[in-house]
Amino acid sequence: QITLKESGPTLVKPTQTLTLTCTFSGFSLSTSGVGVGWIRQPPGKALEWLALIYWNDDKRYSPSLKSRLTITKDTSKNQVVLTMTNMDPVDTATYYCARRDYGEPFDYWGQGTLVTVSS
Amino acid sequence: AIRMTQSPSSLSASTGDRVTITCRASQGISSYLAWYQQKPGKAPKLLIYAASTLQSGVPSRFSGSGSGTDFTLTISCLQSEDFATYYCQQYYSYSWTFGQGTKVEIK
Repeated sequence: QITLKESGPTLVKPTQTLTLTCTFSGFSLSTSGVGVGWIRQPPGKALEWLALIYWNDDKRYSPSLKSRLTITKDTSKNQVVLTMTNMDPVDTATYYCARRDYGEPFDYWGQGTLVTVSS
Repeated sequence: AIRMTQSPSSLSASTGDRVTITCRASQGISSYLAWYQQKPGKAPKLLIYAASTLQSGVPSRFSGSGSGTDFTLTISCLQSEDFATYYCQQYYSYSWTFGQGTKVEIK
């Protein structure tokens, strides 16, 4: 059974750095072709892809947010971490992590975690 | 970045109706197109990938077609559990992008 779960703060202040952790089970991020990505969704709005890390440590970022994002993995802990610097109220959203496997898009998703940016 | 445009943004339909949602890419994406279903407060669920391949466990009333820039998602016989928002997504090139969503509501 494949599961993913996001964790991190629910409230951050403007200019702070957000750190989110995706803890997964049922697959390994050391398996060829596997990746874990982050997607966010502001309240009432559409989905936005943020970043993706692959089994071979290849990393991809949204060009519009690349300067603020860092994605890393800890294969031994089955975790992927996303950091986003200089948070702003417009970054208020539900943040999801999801798995990519063998060229398919995101087939398994976490439940999401709502992050509010407010002073 | 490749822009994905869905139409309509919303639609009203009745149980049993045939529903078609379209997605247009701003440039060719071959068949690297996925469709997701999202219900309120829930994570998106993958329905179709590679434009027309049904994800395991998804009912056969869902189908997808298209290639290049124009794609469609069809629900052949709308069921009560299908009322949701649907998103297309291209995974042809980074940055991956989603459409703005199509909300399917009860008439």
